[in-house]
Amino acid sequence: QQQVKQSPQSLIVQKGGISIINCAYENTAFDYFPWYQQFPGKGPALLIAIRPDVSEKKEGRFTISFNKSAKQFSLHIMDSQPGDSATYFCAASKETSGSRLTFGEGTQLTVNP
Amino acid sequence: GAGVSQSPRYKVAKRGQDVALRCDPISGHVSLFWYQQALGQGPEFLTYFQNEAQLDKSGLPSDRFFAERPEGSVSTLKIQRTQQEDSAVYLCASWSWAEGGETQYFGPGTRLLVL
Repeated sequence: QQQVKQSPQSLIVQKGGISIINCAYENTAFDYFPWYQQFPGKGPALLIAIRPDVSEKKEGRFTISFNKSAKQFSLHIMDSQPGDSATYFCAASKETSGSRLTFGEGTQLTVNP
Repeated sequence: GAGVSQSPRYKVAKRGQDVALRCDPISGHVSLFWYQQALGQGPEFLTYFQNEAQLDKSGLPSDRFFAERPEGSVSTLKIQRTQQEDSAVYLCASWSWAEGGETQYFGPGTRLLVL
């Protein structure tokens, strides 16, 4: 059962453009929504995270938008750079389950120079 | 240590062979997770430790998979009688509270190829 669905599977943007990745979840018990960035041969690294008590969180060029009623959240990368080229995973967890993460399928982002 | 380390980084096993994968979490991290990441997919939860106690092993795909953390620090994931479908990257993560939320720090993973 895929509890977190992510789209698109791949994304190509030009340098300086905006990259947008979307995720939808099913389990209303989820209360923590992180985004991870993964480069080839590396483990996922936390990029930014949000809790459902806020609708938006911004850190530098990265913004999470959260819509609790729609059970959707998205990652926006402003002024995308070639160094942002990586695979991005959304995830969700329930505190009561010890923070095990349920990941989306991933989005492979390519930023062309 | 500076981060989560895993060894070996790569492992090639013949079908039917037993393998052991090691994880060294960040010093002082109480919680430790194992995930399995198939090629082109997101990581999937395998098991979770709090100190030496294995609190959740619901993600282990079969009884061929076994994990332990006897002293509450280093953990070992063991796969017995490996099958081709076990080929994946095995990720270890350790966890601590960060201001405003939870942060799981992942190791680089062990890439297992079963021939």
